[in-house]
Amino acid sequence: GQQVMQIPQYQHVQEGEDFTTYCNSSTTLSNIQWYKQRPGGHPVFLIQLVKSGEVKKQKRLTFQFGEAKKNSSLHITATQTTDVGTYFCAGDTGNQFYFGTGTSLTVIP
Amino acid sequence: SAVISQKPSRDICQRGTSLTIQCQVDSQVTMMFWYRQQPGQSLTLIATANQGSEATYESGFVIDKFPISRPNLTFSTLTVSNMSPEDSSIYLCSVGMANTGELFFGEGSRLTVL
Repeated sequence: GQQVMQIPQYQHVQEGEDFTTYCNSSTTLSNIQWYKQRPGGHPVFLIQLVKSGEVKKQKRLTFQFGEAKKNSSLHITATQTTDVGTYFCAGDTGNQFYFGTGTSLTVIP
Repeated sequence: SAVISQKPSRDICQRGTSLTIQCQVDSQVTMMFWYRQQPGQSLTLIATANQGSEATYESGFVIDKFPISRPNLTFSTLTVSNMSPEDSSIYLCSVGMANTGELFFGEGSRLTVL
């Protein structure tokens, strides 16, 4: 079954509000990646986290990798309409690479 | 980085027919993958296309249904055989960068089976 779950499945926010998606794996991950898929588009790589407890920032986006390397989060500060899309985490267990269930973000202008 | 051209971008097909999707990469890559994304769902790996040998299929996917070719390091095809409406999906070709692990995706082929 699905080994990498994301919550929430859907999120509607007012432009300017913050947004967070959480990614949880049933097994320890060697690394985790995040992708963004715009409506009608293909997934585009955002970032990779490798170290336990790692935090990386890209402008308004903050990515965290949990201490146990089983969970991760993506936080967007002050969302903009250009942030609309589905955000997927993707975890590498060492044997398999699994995409998460995704969180679809809608930003209301 | 890698630039991936995938075609067709979309097609509408009749039940029982087969469709071949092509994937061309602008550089030689070792790892090439085929994913399926059903409407509103996540990405599921179908198989890894290996150059010079048979593709490696994931659980639930078989060669008879999804034959794959990989004649060289820049090109691959995926055929969806004997299609049924349940095969309606987006099929995505991707390549992996060995140094970063990053995946690059083609634009996808949106398949509708009537």
